[in-house]
Amino acid sequence: ETGVTQTPRHLVMGMTNKKSLKCEQHLGHNAMYWYKQSAKKPLELMFVYSLEERVENNSVPSRFSPECPNSSHLFLHLHTLQPEDSALYLCASSQTRWTNEKLFFGSGTQLSVL
Amino acid sequence: LAKTTQPISMDSYEGQEVNITCSHNNIATNDYITWYQQFPSQGPRFIIQGYKTKVTNEVASLFIPADRKSSTLSLPRVSLSDTAVYYCLVGDGDSGNTPLVFGKGTRLSVIA
Repeated sequence: ETGVTQTPRHLVMGMTNKKSLKCEQHLGHNAMYWYKQSAKKPLELMFVYSLEERVENNSVPSRFSPECPNSSHLFLHLHTLQPEDSALYLCASSQTRWTNEKLFFGSGTQLSVL
Repeated sequence: LAKTTQPISMDSYEGQEVNITCSHNNIATNDYITWYQQFPSQGPRFIIQGYKTKVTNEVASLFIPADRKSSTLSLPRVSLSDTAVYYCLVGDGDSGNTPLVFGKGTRLSVIA
């Protein structure tokens, strides 16, 4: 148990669906992250939030829309996804944005786009 | 960002000590060296972090030579449950806020 909870654990959606991934942390951390991990590929950083403000967006397609309503919650809204978006989506948090800060990851949402 | 190089895969028998070496020739003065472990379909888990010499915790040891151009993660007496991917990460010593970049890691397979 890392203190970072992601729901749902598994999600199957069609290309025309709209769904949301949820991440929750009660560690008192100020930074939260979304990562994508495709099969056989390294983790790719998607978004970084610091103190509820988006501070990094790594050229992610607009069909992925993050939301951070407060320091404990992070959402990733999905719409009109493509089959190549099927992957493990991981949320992480850290005390600060400092590069060497310890990251706490959730268990991820395994997404399949049909 | 300082680039890291580590073996793609390693095999070990249960009960053996496993040493995974990571090269980071361009490490900056302010960079730390951090290792994570990842099991299939789970998020990575922090194992250990160090700046120089030796760091030890309940899970592993990290050896860093004086020039800091490499580091070695040592796992004592591995078990089947240590089968995972191990990532070596080195930060960006300039900005201080650049997130660590995960590479492909080392896939450790522990055999009974």
